[in-house]
Amino acid sequence: QLQLQESGPGLVKPSETLSLTCTVSGGSIGSTGYYWGWIRQSPGEGLEWIGNIYHSGGTYYNPSLKSRLAISVDTSKNQFSLTMRSVTTADTAVYYCARQAVAAHIDCWGQGTLVTVSS
Amino acid sequence: EVLMTQSPATLSVSPGERATLSCRATHSISTNLAWYQQRPGQAPRLLIYGASTRAPGFPDRFSGSGSGTEFTLTISSLQSEDFAVYYCHQYDTWPDTFGGGTTVEIK
Repeated sequence: QLQLQESGPGLVKPSETLSLTCTVSGGSIGSTGYYWGWIRQSPGEGLEWIGNIYHSGGTYYNPSLKSRLAISVDTSKNQFSLTMRSVTTADTAVYYCARQAVAAHIDCWGQGTLVTVSS
Repeated sequence: EVLMTQSPATLSVSPGERATLSCRATHSISTNLAWYQQRPGQAPRLLIYGASTRAPGFPDRFSGSGSGTEFTLTISSLQSEDFAVYYCHQYDTWPDTFGGGTTVEIK
């Protein structure tokens, strides 16, 4: 059974860089037909799609966040990572990693990890 | 960007009753729409994709319909485990966008 698990610091200072990693188990990140991505949910708010990466390295970023984002993949470790620069308190959210079928729905989510931006 | 609007924001329903949730897109998205169920403290879970195909593990009291800009999620007879937040998600036009969610609460 496919499982995704986020890891990374739960507290980041304003203006610094947020870094999260998603470890995939029960399946290969090199599977064709799937993107691996990040979605976030601010406290008490809805969902915001951040971006995706394909196993070959091709990326798609939300235009509203693109200037601060980088998503990378490490197929040897079956992991992919999110880096977000120059964070503010508005970036405080639960960050989910997920698998998304190409041009389709999100069929598997990680449990989510809360990242708080605060000094 | 395709904006997704869900209504109502909160739906109060008694167990055993029917719930009808709406999702509207600002542009046509064909049937490229999914619904997710999110229980408190949990990650969202895929419920419906392709506007009307039920994901494995969900009973047939859940059904989705619609195409273009208007979509509906219907829960025919609410059970206690169905009280949750439901989100729609369009994957027709990049970037993907989500609706703001409908909370289905016990009346």
